[in-house]
Amino acid sequence: GENVEQHPSTLSVQEGDSAVIKCTYSDSASNYFPWYKQELGKGPQLIIDIRSNVGEKKDQRIAVTLNKTAKHFSLHITETQPEDSAVYFCAASMWERDDKIIFGKGTRLHILP
Amino acid sequence: NAGVTQTPKFRILKIGQSMTLQCTQDMNHNYMYWYRQDPGMGLKLIYYSVGAGITDKGEVPNGYNVSRSTTEDFPLRLELAAPSQTSVYFCASIMDRSGNTIYFGEGSWLTVV
Repeated sequence: GENVEQHPSTLSVQEGDSAVIKCTYSDSASNYFPWYKQELGKGPQLIIDIRSNVGEKKDQRIAVTLNKTAKHFSLHITETQPEDSAVYFCAASMWERDDKIIFGKGTRLHILP
Repeated sequence: NAGVTQTPKFRILKIGQSMTLQCTQDMNHNYMYWYRQDPGMGLKLIYYSVGAGITDKGEVPNGYNVSRSTTEDFPLRLELAAPSQTSVYFCASIMDRSGNTIYFGEGSWLTVV
């Protein structure tokens, strides 16, 4: 089955700097890669996603890149702000084959003042 | 629109006791999931359902049972609770395989002592 590795487990960046979180996946058939943000005491919420027919997707300060050959994808947050502090999860799935989404272990992002 | 609602929010169980975590969604979603989140371990899939009357095992089903008698409800049953089941449990739902947003509940904090 699919296995998703996420790095780093913890990341601290100065406010205003950029943050990058990386994930790798094992199943080359996976074709849907969402990213979730989880604030303290809340459930995860989708912030951006990308499909395998696209190499990059942007939404304001957030972008995701996908390298299918290397089987890795990354989340980029620019001009970080205090409200970006949270736990971020990557995930992978292959909807046409099965009904499961497999998550990485998460990255705790701290934005330093 | 309530989205995905989980109850209870917090619960302390004694070893060997049983309980049911309730999950209901009002979005008429076909797919529902139960995840557990352990510290530093990300989200692990326990059970999922693709529609009323259909359930299937995820990555870590042992010690749990589910049922899906209606589209709205997907309760998770813990039989003979063990300390290893101390975790945060999240219910989630999605309309179908077309890659729509997964909606998570707020979580249920369970401690087994």
